[in-house]
Amino acid sequence: DAGVIQSPRHEVTEMGQEVTLRCKPISGHDYLFWYRQTMMRGLELLIYFNNNVPIDDSGMPEDRFSAKMPNASFSTLKIQPSEPRDSAVYFCASSLAPPGPAANYGYTFGSGTRLTVV
Amino acid sequence: AQSVSQHNHHVILSEAASLELGCNYSYGGTVNLFWYVQYPGQHLQLLLKYFSGDPLVKGIKGFEAEFIKSKFSFNLRKPSVQWSDTAEYFCAVSSWGKLQFGAGTQVVVTP
Repeated sequence: DAGVIQSPRHEVTEMGQEVTLRCKPISGHDYLFWYRQTMMRGLELLIYFNNNVPIDDSGMPEDRFSAKMPNASFSTLKIQPSEPRDSAVYFCASSLAPPGPAANYGYTFGSGTRLTVV
Repeated sequence: AQSVSQHNHHVILSEAASLELGCNYSYGGTVNLFWYVQYPGQHLQLLLKYFSGDPLVKGIKGFEAEFIKSKFSFNLRKPSVQWSDTAEYFCAVSSWGKLQFGAGTQVVVTP
């Protein structure tokens, strides 16, 4: 398996532009997570999905952020309009359905998208 | 609310020294515990995980962690660090799917 695949790896955009981050989870994983990592706030959970349905979006900072999962193999995180304070590394992760001590249960992270808004 | 606390934000030590990173969590139910490592410029990688059974868990690269239920702790240890262990280490707790991270501990190992 190729793991969790995120694109693009790097994105530089001007303030006010729309940004779309993409994620392909590991096939068969029921859960998908979006995290944001910054120096100031560390790793923050933005939103997560179970079977393509958003379960908890309480971490989404404001209405400018939206996330979708139209099918089991694809998710997007969109920022519109983007602002300089949105600059961060955005990670996507996926996992099998919890709970349970299955040997292969765990969270696998993508390589992240480094977003810079200027 | 579920929370994860890591005791140290920065640790600097010499090669061959022993490392111990503290992690405490607050949650009343059943939890699964993890330690992740992030090397400079890379994504998060799983070091080890605990679900049940033996509270002493061995992971990759010589790391181990001990779950002490009475103290709500899951401390990470390595007897002898190497320069290549320079990284940021994250403790994480999951309950019913939601994975929450501590603030992370930046570890710098000097030659």
